[in-house]
Amino acid sequence: EVQLVESGGTLVQPGGSLRLSCEGSGFTFGDYSMYWVRLAPGKGLEWVSVISWDGSAIYYADSVKGRFTISRDNDKSSVFLQMNRLKTEDTAFYYCAKGVWGPHYFASWGQGTLVTVSS
Amino acid sequence: ETVMTQSPATLSVSPGERATLSCRASQLISTSLAWYQHKPGQAPRVLIYDASTRATGVPPRFSGSGSGTEFTLTISSLQSEDAAVYYCHQYNDWPPYTFGQGTKLEIK
Repeated sequence: EVQLVESGGTLVQPGGSLRLSCEGSGFTFGDYSMYWVRLAPGKGLEWVSVISWDGSAIYYADSVKGRFTISRDNDKSSVFLQMNRLKTEDTAFYYCAKGVWGPHYFASWGQGTLVTVSS
Repeated sequence: ETVMTQSPATLSVSPGERATLSCRASQLISTSLAWYQHKPGQAPRVLIYDASTRATGVPPRFSGSGSGTEFTLTISSLQSEDAAVYYCHQYNDWPPYTFGQGTKLEIK
């Protein structure tokens, strides 16, 4: 069974930094692209970033470009999201999701970790 | 960027009835569309991908249709556990991947 477990969410002040982690199990982690998606209060889902299976291709939403960095460690079956210069509008549940070979839908999701940016 | 628009925002349907959720893309996306179900406190779950293919383990009462710019998710006989927010997601034109704003499905 595929499992994805996020961690690292907490309360942080505007301008601060945070690193989220997501550990996968039940599948060959290094074979798949991994994604971060967020859900802000009262809003809909928003894609944040994607990293290819080998880390060679990385993309970001415009709203986080230049502030967030995605990375992965296939030996540890983990994907990370380094979040810098945080803004109040970054407050959200952050989910990691697993891709599939072929169509770029999000096949499995974690339960999410809550990031609150507030003074 | 492809903008996805879902309707209605909220849908209230009685158990056993049919629920029809719509999703429109601002440009042609072929059949590169997925539907997700999200219940509070849970991980989102993929229901449909490639517009009409049911994901593994999804009950047959869930079906997807459409291509191009107009898509539909149909729940043929609503059950109480189907109460959730449903999102469509396009993956034809990326980055960015984009979602609709969601349809909240309530059970009467």
